[in-house]
Amino acid sequence: DAGVIQSPRHEVTEMGQEVTLRCKPISGHDYLFWYRQTMMRGLELLIYFNNNVPIDDSGMPEDRFSAKMPNASFSTLKIQPSEPRDSAVYFCASTLTRRSYGYTFGSGTRLTVV
Amino acid sequence: SQQGEEDPQALSIQEGENATMNCSYKTSINNLQWYRQNSGRGLVHLILIRSNEREKHSGRLRVTLDTSKKSSSLLITASRAADTASYFCATDASGANSKLTFGKGITLSVRP
Repeated sequence: DAGVIQSPRHEVTEMGQEVTLRCKPISGHDYLFWYRQTMMRGLELLIYFNNNVPIDDSGMPEDRFSAKMPNASFSTLKIQPSEPRDSAVYFCASTLTRRSYGYTFGSGTRLTVV
Repeated sequence: SQQGEEDPQALSIQEGENATMNCSYKTSINNLQWYRQNSGRGLVHLILIRSNEREKHSGRLRVTLDTSKKSSSLLITASRAADTASYFCATDASGANSKLTFGKGITLSVRP
């Protein structure tokens, strides 16, 4: 298996622009998570899905953030409009069952909003 | 907060030495996990220990869990330069809707 695949690896955008981050989880994994990592706040859970259904989005910072999982093999995290404080590394992770296995993380997308 | 807190924040050792990292947390947990992150990379799952377990081994890794003290330790024996990375503990609190929350991490440097 190729693991969790995220794209793009790096994204530089201007403030106000729309940003879309993409994730392909490991086939057969029922859970998908979006995390954000910054030096100041560490790793924060933004949202997670179970069987393509959003379960908890309480970590999504603002209405500017939205996430979808149209099918079991694809998820997107969208920021519209983007702001400089959104600059961070965004990770997608998946797992087979939430409490019996560890999470498999993608390589992340480093977002810079200028 | 249920977030785990690692100690120390940074650790520098010589190759061949053992590295011990600690994690404390505040609430009851279902399990506790340790992850490694190399610079510029995603997190890699190392080991999961359930609340009813006291010790687990995986290769050169040994994890202990003391639920009465709400603490865990990760021991890396015979460290190698390739072990240089950040290490995170993550707690899965008890409760149906809990989330896996991560500490701020420990930076381990292993000098050749």
